[in-house]
Amino acid sequence: DTGVSQDPRHKITKRGQNVTFRCDPISEHNRLYWYRQTLGQGPEFLTYFQNEAQLEKSRLLSDRFSAERPKGSFSTLEIQRTEQGDSAMYLCASSLFLSTDVITETQYFGPGTRLLVL
Amino acid sequence: DAKTTQPPSMDCAEGRAANLPCNHSTISGNEYVYWYRQIHSQGPQYIIHGLKNNETNEMASLIITEDRKSSTLILPHATLRDTAVYYCIVRGLYGQNFVFGPGTRLSVLP
Repeated sequence: DTGVSQDPRHKITKRGQNVTFRCDPISEHNRLYWYRQTLGQGPEFLTYFQNEAQLEKSRLLSDRFSAERPKGSFSTLEIQRTEQGDSAMYLCASSLFLSTDVITETQYFGPGTRLLVL
Repeated sequence: DAKTTQPPSMDCAEGRAANLPCNHSTISGNEYVYWYRQIHSQGPQYIIHGLKNNETNEMASLIITEDRKSSTLILPHATLRDTAVYYCIVRGLYGQNFVFGPGTRLSVLP
């Protein structure tokens, strides 16, 4: 299967610790998105990359959050000094964006990383 | 991007068609309607999208009204595995991220 993969699938950490999540997009997809989902809510956009460039960040992405996509392939999302409010499912999605004139972009989501901050 | 309104929950008998409505009365001419679903503890799964014509694929059909102010996702023969939260999203030509609402929780009953 060549879908979006995320690692780890589950993470339990203590408040104040740093955590890092990894996302491997579908091969050849040039866009990669991060979303956060809390219980009972739909996913909320955090940030996205086109190739290596981080093009947009949500105001939800506080200074404790940082995302990278160094070679335009996999991406990492790091949360520093975790807080209990960071407990959520972190979702990654990828897409192939071809042109600003053509809506061919469909985002394909990974299984998510579920974070629990104690 | 235009806002969407969906019923919070629906039930459907197994084997029957599930018709999930979505209201997007403020949709503009270049905005597409996307449907995703999320089965418990999994990532959202793409179902279908359309602009103004009705669309069909192996998973579902999307019926968009002529004025484009509402749409219906049809699962022709619902199975227990179709139990999920279904999200209707309106996305513009230059919209980057998807804005998810709370969706409709569909329960397929045996």
